[in-house]
Amino acid sequence: DGGITQSPKYLFRKEGQNVTLSCEQNLNHDAMYWYRQDPGQGLRLIYYSQIVNDFQKGDIAEGYSVSREKKESFPLTVTSAQKNPTAFYLCASSINGAGYGYTFGSGTRLTVV
Amino acid sequence: DQQVKQNSPSLSVQEGRISILNCDYTNSMFDYFLWYKKYPAEGPTFLISISSIKDKNEDGRFTVFLNKSAKHLSLHIVPSQPGDSAVYFCAARGDNAGNMLTFGGGTRLMVKP
Repeated sequence: DGGITQSPKYLFRKEGQNVTLSCEQNLNHDAMYWYRQDPGQGLRLIYYSQIVNDFQKGDIAEGYSVSREKKESFPLTVTSAQKNPTAFYLCASSINGAGYGYTFGSGTRLTVV
Repeated sequence: DQQVKQNSPSLSVQEGRISILNCDYTNSMFDYFLWYKKYPAEGPTFLISISSIKDKNEDGRFTVFLNKSAKHLSLHIVPSQPGDSAVYFCAARGDNAGNMLTFGGGTRLMVKP
């Protein structure tokens, strides 16, 4: 079955450490996105990529980095520069130019301890 | 400036009654609108959509209405069921490059048995 997989589901990080969240899709989608959701808040765009080897900053990119070396994969690194990294992180993918919206992964809950 | 707004952070309805979730937008270039449903600790799932050339789209218990002149859309759920309890996000797509969606802040719906 085609889908989008995020791992791990739960992640704990010590302050000052970098951590990488995985996102893999086998839907052959061109575009991939990372969102952050805080308790009681909406979805805020961190980074997006519409094609391999290219990505753009979203609204809250500071303290995060991404890569898009393969069409299937769009990992997100939360760096020590991110001041409030505890949140629920969602990855999504879509077909470029289509009006069908996004397919979301099941999310990763990151907690700084 | 938020281009898509859901002004009600929460809504509580009785089982069997109608739930009406509202969404306002400011960008007249949006041409496609979607509703997503999200349970805690899960990724959002697509619920229903509507093109800007239509004013109504129905799928079972779910109906989305679009009022372009008022830049307003609403999601009606009839009859509401306890399993509908979730956070609902409206999203809008513009004519920008790719398939970027702009999300509202979400409305938490609670359906009481």
